[in-house]
Amino acid sequence: DIQMTQSPSTLSASVGDRVTVTCRASQSIGNWVAWYQQKPGTAPKLLIYAASSLESGVPPRFSGGGSGTEFTLTISSLQPDDFATYYCQQYNAYSYTFGQGTKLEFK
Amino acid sequence: EVQLVESGGGLIQAGGSLRLSCAVSGFIVSSDYMSWVRQTPGKGLEWVSVIYTAGGTYYADSVKGRFTISRDNFKNMVYLQMNSLRAEDTAIYYCARGPSRGMDVWGQGTTVTVSS
Repeated sequence: DIQMTQSPSTLSASVGDRVTVTCRASQSIGNWVAWYQQKPGTAPKLLIYAASSLESGVPPRFSGGGSGTEFTLTISSLQPDDFATYYCQQYNAYSYTFGQGTKLEFK
Repeated sequence: EVQLVESGGGLIQAGGSLRLSCAVSGFIVSSDYMSWVRQTPGKGLEWVSVIYTAGGTYYADSVKGRFTISRDNFKNMVYLQMNSLRAEDTAIYYCARGPSRGMDVWGQGTTVTVSS
């Protein structure tokens, strides 16, 4: 199975900061990566698919990049609503593994 | 409106069986991949199973041989039959559309608690 190693596990930041979360795949997966945001008590929300395509309705301060084995999710200017947990997921081949998650918290 | 609504969760003894249902509205269930994803309390997400448009299915190693995903095209429903349940299957189970382009639609989740 393909493993997704996500870092950091926790990220402390302030409103207006630029932050980046990284996911590394255990083998090359092209651009078959999605990123999700999850807030407590709710289902995950798709932000980015195909590594860099912004899902409809998602603010453009979110962006994704990378290919092969290294992928990034960047938030250009943190807003109060962005403090949540973020997950990457590979969908190159079943099984569709998730990263361990990054909790973005107030500094 | 595109919507997924899960049902069927509950408290069950280890070794027992449960069937989860996912009611699909706003699109045809056989027109896209459909997955089940679970989340243990306070933990991360684990993909469980997928059913493809052509009907093929795949499972995580942790549930292979015990869980079965299926769909009913007439009722526009997806199901997850869970047998030989273990304490480690305790989780919130989400139905989701995808991941042909990520999982873009999710249900609200249904909670399964397996007592040992």
